[in-house]
Amino acid sequence: DTEVTQTPKHLVMGMTNKKSLKCEQHMGHRAMYWYKQKAKKPPELMFVYSYEKLSINESVPSRFSPECPNSSLLNLHLHALQPEDSALYLCASSQASVQETQYFGPGTRLLVL
Amino acid sequence: ELKVEQNPLFLSMQEGKNYTIYCNYSTTSDRLYWYRQDPGKSLESLFVLLSNGAVKQEGRLMASLDTKARLSTLHITAAVHDLSATYFCAVEYGNEKLTFGTGTRLTIIP
Repeated sequence: DTEVTQTPKHLVMGMTNKKSLKCEQHMGHRAMYWYKQKAKKPPELMFVYSYEKLSINESVPSRFSPECPNSSLLNLHLHALQPEDSALYLCASSQASVQETQYFGPGTRLLVL
Repeated sequence: ELKVEQNPLFLSMQEGKNYTIYCNYSTTSDRLYWYRQDPGKSLESLFVLLSNGAVKQEGRLMASLDTKARLSTLHITAAVHDLSATYFCAVEYGNEKLTFGTGTRLTIIP
């Protein structure tokens, strides 16, 4: 199983809403990542979890809150987002670190109204 | 700060032709990845290049890495329509971080 799954596929939320994105992998990978991708731009790293601990936060605003409940799951909690946060949010995982190939999920397309 | 640049940004080519996409990066790294992204879809890993002089081939795509020149190339041979996509290179820097290139949007014309 080389699949990373993400739910939901699409999400529309208002600026006062609270929502969560979910990512799951069953490849035994110990590193998981959140990326943000705006239209026609490359993905930008947001967070890295290594062995279920947050190891990198790329100066992401606090309205984005990551959580890694266990080695297979990664969540991204959203609160008080802005319209400019509308983007494709990609989850990825790799064996142990970035020195292994990252496998990407299908993404959640987020629209903030 | 690591910068990763690709050229061209847009490439329109006829089926059957050959072409090369270039990826330049600004700081030392020994690992470079190529990904493909179809419109509205996620990223698919194509190649991992782990050392200077590395060359990988899969079908009509061949990737190479020159760490001294900080340059990687993705060569397309006898292009077919199915290769139309956006191609990203990505460079590892500092443990656990990947920086993606600007992307090359490739369109293959019948």
